[in-house]
Amino acid sequence: GDSVTQMEGPVTLSEEAFLTINCTYTATGYPSLFWYVQYPGEGLQLLLKATKADDKGSNKGFEATYRKETTSFHLEKGSVQVSDSAVYFCALTRNTGGFKTIFGAGTRLFVKA
Amino acid sequence: DAGVTQSPTHLIKTRGQQVTLRCSPKSGHDTVSWYQQALGQGPQFIFQYYEEEERQRGNFPDRFSGHQFPNYSSELNVNALLLGDSALYLCASSWVGQGVNYGYTFGSGTRLTVV
Repeated sequence: GDSVTQMEGPVTLSEEAFLTINCTYTATGYPSLFWYVQYPGEGLQLLLKATKADDKGSNKGFEATYRKETTSFHLEKGSVQVSDSAVYFCALTRNTGGFKTIFGAGTRLFVKA
Repeated sequence: DAGVTQSPTHLIKTRGQQVTLRCSPKSGHDTVSWYQQALGQGPQFIFQYYEEEERQRGNFPDRFSGHQFPNYSSELNVNALLLGDSALYLCASSWVGQGVNYGYTFGSGTRLTVV
């Protein structure tokens, strides 16, 4: 079945450091890929998405490129801020008569001032 | 424009009891999905409703049931509660256009504690 694997956390970075959170997926066909972010005590928020191969999703300085050849959708940001501290979830969805979304286990990011 | 609204925010129940959680989707969204999120884990798919019917279901027992109303709002019911049902329950709404899912809008969740 479909699955999402993302790097284990926590990831601890200093402010202005470069961020990469790895995500790979297993799915048949052509899924859409997403990154969601969950701040403490809140629900998940859609951060960015890509619906086909080679698409680049971007938002708030974060970027991820849909790489079908490597089945990956790594999240990057050039300069993190303390306010980026949160849990990041990689996710995929396919049209299987519905649009169930499968989530990875999440990667916690701590950014130190 | 209100996003996804869930109620209640917190709930404490005793083993064996039944619970109903409620969700109002974002305006313009017609599909509601429910997820269970245990502490430190990713959300696990329970089921999805569209046009008042359950369209997909995850690997959850029949104790978990749901409903979608004509105004697209939804309920999640859990019978015969177990301690292991303690979790954050998330409702997510979405709109599917031209066969593409553009992503969920999540509510803040209902924290259920079973004692």
